Amino acid sequence: GQQVMQIPQYQHVQEGEDFTTYCNSSTTLSNIQWYKQRPGGHPVFLIQLVKSGEVKKQKRLTFQFGEAKKNSSLHITATQTTDVGTYFCAGPKNTGNQFYFGTGTSLTVIP
Amino acid sequence: DTAVSQTPKYLVTQMGNDKSIKCEQNLGHDTMYWYKQDSKKFLKIMFSYNNKELIINETVPNRFSPKSPDKAHLNLHINSLELGDSAVYFCASSQVIKLAHEQYFGPGTRLTVT
Repeated sequence: GQQVMQIPQYQHVQEGEDFTTYCNSSTTLSNIQWYKQRPGGHPVFLIQLVKSGEVKKQKRLTFQFGEAKKNSSLHITATQTTDVGTYFCAGPKNTGNQFYFGTGTSLTVIP
Repeated sequence: DTAVSQTPKYLVTQMGNDKSIKCEQNLGHDTMYWYKQDSKKFLKIMFSYNNKELIINETVPNRFSPKSPDKAHLNLHINSLELGDSAVYFCASSQVIKLAHEQYFGPGTRLTVT
């Protein structure tokens, strides 16, 4: 069945280091979304990518959508303690308005 | 003026009981969702609903039933609670515009079944 996997599952970095999480789908996606969930919080929408090869930036965050539209990445430059949380990608199911969420990458930033 | 609200925030109950979680959105969105997040933080879609269509994820037991009295509300009713139902349940909403499905999540309800 359709699956969305993320690696790594956990990542510890020193503050100031870069961080990347990768998202891979077993099927081609029409679009992909990224969410951030702070500890004890709820997922918050970050961005949606639609076009093949698309790259979008939000300050220190860079999002990419693969050429084949089956993978995506989120890169954070010079992490800060405020970046702590779990980052999820989400891809649409083949039918309906539902999304498969990736397995998530939990980021810990060590001050 | 919370966009998506859920009650209660915490729910502790015994096996076999029936419970409901309420969700309201004031964003005027046409689609609402229920997600289950387990202890490993995996987020799984349970239902999506708009005024035309209810889509049930095939892995959801029929003990779970969504009830929508109107467009702004989607409540989750759970019968005969089991230990494995313990999780955080998130309600979400979105307005589907072409391919854009930005979802707004509620604060979550932590359900503990003892």
